[in-house]
Amino acid sequence: KAGVTQTPRYLIKTRGQQVTLSCSPISGHRSVSWYQQTPGQGLQFLFEYFSETQRNKGNFPGRFSGRQFSNSRSEMNVSTLELGDSALYLCASSPEGFSGTEAFFGQGTRLTVV
Amino acid sequence: GIQVEQSPPDLILQEGANSTLRCNFSDSVNNLQWFHQNPWGQLINLFYIPSGTKQNGRLSATTVATERYSLLYISSSQTTDSGVYFCAVPPPTDSWGKLQFGAGTQVVVTP
Repeated sequence: KAGVTQTPRYLIKTRGQQVTLSCSPISGHRSVSWYQQTPGQGLQFLFEYFSETQRNKGNFPGRFSGRQFSNSRSEMNVSTLELGDSALYLCASSPEGFSGTEAFFGQGTRLTVV
Repeated sequence: GIQVEQSPPDLILQEGANSTLRCNFSDSVNNLQWFHQNPWGQLINLFYIPSGTKQNGRLSATTVATERYSLLYISSSQTTDSGVYFCAVPPPTDSWGKLQFGAGTQVVVTP
């Protein structure tokens, strides 16, 4: 069974640009969550999608958005990039996203904003 | 929100040594996961352990939910055990798809 797949693995963008990251969950998993990891703030929850609907959201500005498709693949978008958006972005999948279920993570996308 | 504290923040071990990592959390939880972050950034699942004790090779974990802590044991450490170890729990509210992570324990195993 394939794991969680994130693309691309690495990105370099310029301030002010926008970026789209992709996450394909484990087959059969319908919940996809996104996290941002930085040295200063650690791992922080961005949002979660289930059945194409955002069910939960962390404390990030509106420049961070996402969506989920009918095949459960998810994308996250960051508009008007800032230097502080440089981070490792991780997505996680789980069958239903209930708090008692196990989450599995992808390899991450490392975004550098210059 | 729920607070998750990990200790120690850093650990340097000689190959072959044993160690214990601790995770304290501030509220009742129905899920706790331990992860190992490899040098490329991926979070590798080690244990899903809401309560009780589990073992996987040289690693084992114990969660005492009533006392709000979990322990990860590494025995006969190897250089491949180096990396950052995280514990994570879901918050008691607004928990859909969300895990609250601790700050991690950076482990360095020297030959």
